[in-house]
Amino acid sequence: ILNVEQSPQSLHVQEGDSTNFTCSFPSSNFYALHWYRWETAKSPEALFVMTLNGDEKKKGRISATLNTKEGYSYLYIKGSQPEDSATYLCAFVGGTSYGKLTFGQGTILTVHP
Amino acid sequence: DAGVIQSPRHEVTEMGQEVTLRCKPISGHNSLFWYRQTMMRGLELLIYFNNNVPIDDSGMPEDRFSAKMPNASFSTLKIQPSEPRDSAVYFCASTSGLTTYNEQFFGPGTRLTVL
Repeated sequence: ILNVEQSPQSLHVQEGDSTNFTCSFPSSNFYALHWYRWETAKSPEALFVMTLNGDEKKKGRISATLNTKEGYSYLYIKGSQPEDSATYLCAFVGGTSYGKLTFGQGTILTVHP
Repeated sequence: DAGVIQSPRHEVTEMGQEVTLRCKPISGHNSLFWYRQTMMRGLELLIYFNNNVPIDDSGMPEDRFSAKMPNASFSTLKIQPSEPRDSAVYFCASTSGLTTYNEQFFGPGTRLTVL
């Protein structure tokens, strides 16, 4: 059973704060690491697919880094806005499981105006 | 593009009844995934198909669950007989290819309540 863990479980920040959270995954047999954003009453939407050690991806105020040797990825949000409130999920893909995603439990972010 | 389409969006049924959930993947996508989301277990993969062939069904909870993909544009997830513990949101997702680094596109989900 693959262990994909996210921390913290939930996070409350004020509008304008920058924040970050962590995804830990097996460091062996790595294939890809996905980040998804999941708003309440909607379906998960992909933010990034990361594949290479040292990879950094950016989309607007959101960015992510990847360390496959030690098995972690960070997601950063700069200048949080209330519309950033959502659950952020990471999902690990192992080298022998092709497209099979193993999701973490998610970090619930609430940005207060 | 309409995205991944799921039906019904909500289903309320009684214990023991058969439930069929439906999914239409994005046109051109050849991989389809069924997920279940619960408070206790989060988002878990039930089964996935590549080119209409089931690749891994190890996440299917038990024999009461079955899934089919008769063609590239349609898949069903059936629960027979349903039980209250099957109550969850069931998502379908699709992507193009299993050996690429493509994101998965999720449907809106079907919220199933078994009384």
